[in-house]
Amino acid sequence: GDSVTQMEGPVTLSEEAFLTINCTYTATGYPSLFWYVQYPGEGLQLLLKATKADDKGSNKGFEATYRKETTSFHLEKGSVQVSDSAVYFCAVSYSSASKIIFGSGTRLSIRP
Amino acid sequence: DTGVSQDPRHKITKRGQNVTFRCDPISEHNRLYWYRQTLGQGPEFLTYFQNEAQLEKSRLLSDRFSAERPKGSFSTLEIQRTEQGDSAMYLCASSGVTGNYGYTFGSGTRLTVV
Repeated sequence: GDSVTQMEGPVTLSEEAFLTINCTYTATGYPSLFWYVQYPGEGLQLLLKATKADDKGSNKGFEATYRKETTSFHLEKGSVQVSDSAVYFCAVSYSSASKIIFGSGTRLSIRP
Repeated sequence: DTGVSQDPRHKITKRGQNVTFRCDPISEHNRLYWYRQTLGQGPEFLTYFQNEAQLEKSRLLSDRFSAERPKGSFSTLEIQRTEQGDSAMYLCASSGVTGNYGYTFGSGTRLTVV
């Protein structure tokens, strides 16, 4: 069935390190792709999105590119900060009439 | 508009009791979604409404669960005869008619069944 698979955590990095969190989705049609973030004690927030192949979503220094050939939507940031510590969820929606399906989440911890 | 509101924030109930949660979406959003999230997992879809019509229900939504959105505005999620396995965070989200541009989530209701 429709699904999304993301890199298991936890991921621990030092401040200013480069971040990649991998995400792949099942190749059914032309889905929209999302990254959501959940900061400690807070609700889910949309971080970025891409709605068609080769689109790049970006926000707060994070980027992800919709790669149809590899069915991937990896999250990257060039220089992480302690404030980026959170749980990151990759998600996919296969049509405007369909619900969003979430991955299991990747916990990111950044050391000062 | 202050976003998606959920009430209560926390609920502790004894096994076998019924509980009801409320969600108030963003006023101009006509789609409303319920998800459940357990510790260390991503949100799992339960059901969604477009206006007052319930368009999809997950297999996760057993007979003990029911959701309503009677006037196409706020929604309620009721769990009857709660079980310990129902303990989770229940999330509500809303979106415009094109849901694939992303949802706005509420802060959730944390249910603990003892």
